[in-house]
Amino acid sequence: AQTVTQSQPEMSVQEAETVTLSCTYDTSENNYYLFWYKQPPSRQMILVIRQEAYKQQNATENRFSVNFQKAAKSFSLKISDSQLGDTAMYFCSSAGGTSYGKLTFGQGTILTVHP
Amino acid sequence: NAGVTQTPKFRVLKTGQSMTLLCAQDMNHEYMYWYRQDPGMGLRLIHYSVGEGTTAKGEVPDGYNVSRLKKQNFLLGLESAAPSQTSVYFCASSDPTGGVRYNEQFFGPGTRLTVL
Repeated sequence: AQTVTQSQPEMSVQEAETVTLSCTYDTSENNYYLFWYKQPPSRQMILVIRQEAYKQQNATENRFSVNFQKAAKSFSLKISDSQLGDTAMYFCSSAGGTSYGKLTFGQGTILTVHP
Repeated sequence: NAGVTQTPKFRVLKTGQSMTLLCAQDMNHEYMYWYRQDPGMGLRLIHYSVGEGTTAKGEVPDGYNVSRLKKQNFLLGLESAAPSQTSVYFCASSDPTGGVRYNEQFFGPGTRLTVL
């Protein structure tokens, strides 16, 4: 079984600044995957970044990067140079390597970027 | 490439009515999923399918049934709708065959269902 916890219901940041969203998880699997999804007001779920647990190197995608601390079971998302279009709900999620890709989601963090 | 599509986008039902939500994907994905999204709870898995003709229960399956008669379609049925099933429903698909996008789920636009 997997659990994912996001302890920040809401966050805000000024445009062009950096913000970090927190996520902790628990899993009994040795091989697993971690994801951050973005859900703007349009409701569409958009993959932001993914991390394979067996890779030690933190994933990066342009302005988005993660801090993956495997021993602490922590997976935070850093957004650099925040833009107004980053305003959205962000979900942390995990999938076990043997679980047919089923995702377990956290509760979500609403991020507001202010001009 | 339309990706994952869902029909309908909105629906209002009365308690006890039935309906079917249709999910279609054109990416030839083996795996398909139905999730529901409720405020403060993220998305939770209702049912999933690992191939044509197969279905399995997820975290919150009660009150729902599913069918996967064709690989590209995954149907979610509510036989007797209840107010507790008011939610936003998302369908997703993924490709388990490897490659760069292995294990990445592609989501439909969602269906907002209200049960009165």
